[in-house]
Amino acid sequence: DVKVTQSSRYLVKRTGEKVFLECVQDMDHENMFWYRQDPGLGLRLIYFSYDVKMKEKGDIPEGYSVSREKKERFSLILESASTNQTSMYLCASRNAGWGESGEQYFGPGTRLTVT
Amino acid sequence: GDSVTQMEGPVTLSEEAFLTINCTYTATGYPSLFWYVQYPGEGLQLLLKATKADDKGSNKGFEATYRKETTSFHLEKGSVQVSDSAVYFCALWSIIQGAQKLVFGQGTRLTINP
Repeated sequence: DVKVTQSSRYLVKRTGEKVFLECVQDMDHENMFWYRQDPGLGLRLIYFSYDVKMKEKGDIPEGYSVSREKKERFSLILESASTNQTSMYLCASRNAGWGESGEQYFGPGTRLTVT
Repeated sequence: GDSVTQMEGPVTLSEEAFLTINCTYTATGYPSLFWYVQYPGEGLQLLLKATKADDKGSNKGFEATYRKETTSFHLEKGSVQVSDSAVYFCALWSIIQGAQKLVFGQGTRLTINP
């Protein structure tokens, strides 16, 4: 059974804290993604990675960074958390090569509240 | 850029009713199209997909047909169950300027009453 796991289901942090959200996949996928989900806005892509050590900005990268030191792990970092980063964060991995649509597998999400 | 528009929610139906959730898209070329479903407290799961015009994706009694002429991919089910209550997302696979990604609609919350 394919698995994408996220380190926390719920997280509460204070404004200004550095926050790490961890994502691990056990499917040997090369591509991994971080999204945030907000009511009425659907999912918006923050960052993605095609391979180890690689990262690309998505549609809303401001205030975030990422790290991919190993193929199975993709971390999202909030350098200085702000209240407008309160959201549901979803990690995904993908099983296809360049130009192929494939299928994305999602983790259960981390609901982050910044107070 | 590429975009997806879904019908506004929430949608509330009675069990065994017919379901349609509208989805239209704007894209360069002919992208692959997807429906994802998010059950309460869970991440998204792929429900069905279609990769070219006139393809019909189907799964768990749900169907959607890739309509190039109307740029649509409406989700349908003939008889819904309480267990179908979830949020449904339409999405397309976009390849623009060397970057490839899923572009999602805003989601439609579906509630089925017994």
